[in-house]
Amino acid sequence: SQKIEQNSEALNIQEGKTATLTCNYTNYSPAYLQWYRQDPGRGPVFLLLIRENEKEKRKERLKVTFDTTLKQSLFHITASQPADSATYLCALDHNTGGFKTIFGAGTRLFVKA
Amino acid sequence: DAGVIQSPRHEVTEMGQEVTLRCKPISGHNSLFWYRQTMMRGLELLIYFNNNVPIDDSGMPEDRFSAKMPNASFSTLKIQPSEPRDSAVYFCASSLGTVGTEAFFGQGTRLTVV
Repeated sequence: SQKIEQNSEALNIQEGKTATLTCNYTNYSPAYLQWYRQDPGRGPVFLLLIRENEKEKRKERLKVTFDTTLKQSLFHITASQPADSATYLCALDHNTGGFKTIFGAGTRLFVKA
Repeated sequence: DAGVIQSPRHEVTEMGQEVTLRCKPISGHNSLFWYRQTMMRGLELLIYFNNNVPIDDSGMPEDRFSAKMPNASFSTLKIQPSEPRDSAVYFCASSLGTVGTEAFFGQGTRLTVV
């Protein structure tokens, strides 16, 4: 069956460290992979998009990698800050006769000061 | 632009009642998505429109759910009759395309069916 798996347990890290979140998928062939941030009581906010032919994408303190062989994406936040505390969702755009964006369940990140 | 606007923000209704959720997408966006989010199932795509035409409604859980987009600036998601298991946060999102483009989400409507 098709699955998108993100760490269900919350990730707790110290301010200043690098946070690494994982997104694994099975039985999908995504053309694109996206990462979103969601704060409590709010809608998801887009962060980064990476294409299937790209290995890595960076934006300020954020870095995303995409390994289509391992079927995995890693999302890194360097020099993390308490304001980075949120839930991070990965999403796949895949073609099922029409493209659909499918979201993972998300990983909660807590950055302690 | 004010972003994607959803109304109401909160809705409490009794089982069996009709519920209508509303969405105004960002001007100029040609794709609109309805999602449902619960703790158990996460964020699920219900239906999406491109240029006001429904493209994929395979995520709509039952015939009790229906969605319309009469014009480029307005969409509705209707549940009739509502059931307690429909309780969730419903998000509307819009984008410039259907794939490979970022989606802009509204604040969501928290629906509680008692």
